Amino acid sequence: DARVTQTPRHKVTEMGQEVTMRCQPILGHNTVFWYRQTMMQGLELLAYFRNRAPLDDSGMPKDRFSAEMPDATLATLKIQPSEPRDSAVYFCASGLGGGANSYEQYFGPGTRLTVT
Amino acid sequence: EDQVTQSPEALRLQEGESSSLNCSYTVSGLRGLFWYRQDPGKGPEFLFTLYSAGEEKEKERLKATLTKKESFLHITAPKPEDSATYLCAVMGSWGKLQFGAGTQVVVTP
Repeated sequence: DARVTQTPRHKVTEMGQEVTMRCQPILGHNTVFWYRQTMMQGLELLAYFRNRAPLDDSGMPKDRFSAEMPDATLATLKIQPSEPRDSAVYFCASGLGGGANSYEQYFGPGTRLTVT
Repeated sequence: EDQVTQSPEALRLQEGESSSLNCSYTVSGLRGLFWYRQDPGKGPEFLFTLYSAGEEKEKERLKATLTKKESFLHITAPKPEDSATYLCAVMGSWGKLQFGAGTQVVVTP
């Protein structure tokens, strides 16, 4: 049963601390997306990668957020330093870029981040 | 800028009471319109992709339709397990998904 996995599922941290979230995309998917979900803003795209190369990170606050794909099986989203307004659920999604059904995205269970 | 508006915000149905959810959109160069289901504490679960006006897709009690300006998600004879938030999203020429705020559906026995 192929699915996107994310760790940790929950994270509570203090303002100013570094937070790293990890995502394992579905094997064979070459496109990875990071989203943030809040009650006020809904689902917002932060960044996405195709074939491990960053294609768009215009949704991310550049001064504190960074996203990388060290290899095809791991994507990371880092916040340094974290702030209370970063509290949200962060989702990773993966999909196939360029082929049939290439625009469908499959979401992981999310990381619920609370910054106090 | 791509925009997606979903209505109603919330819908309460009796089991067996059919209804429709609306997703109206503006997009430059529609690549696809997507429906997702999201249960509390979980990630969105993919349901359908519609690519062109007139297209319809069905899955169990759900049927999605698409026109040039909106999409409908019809829920026929819903059951309590159909309770969830249903999200609509469009992908335009920029290649990014733009999500609506969702419709929260509650089906009571």
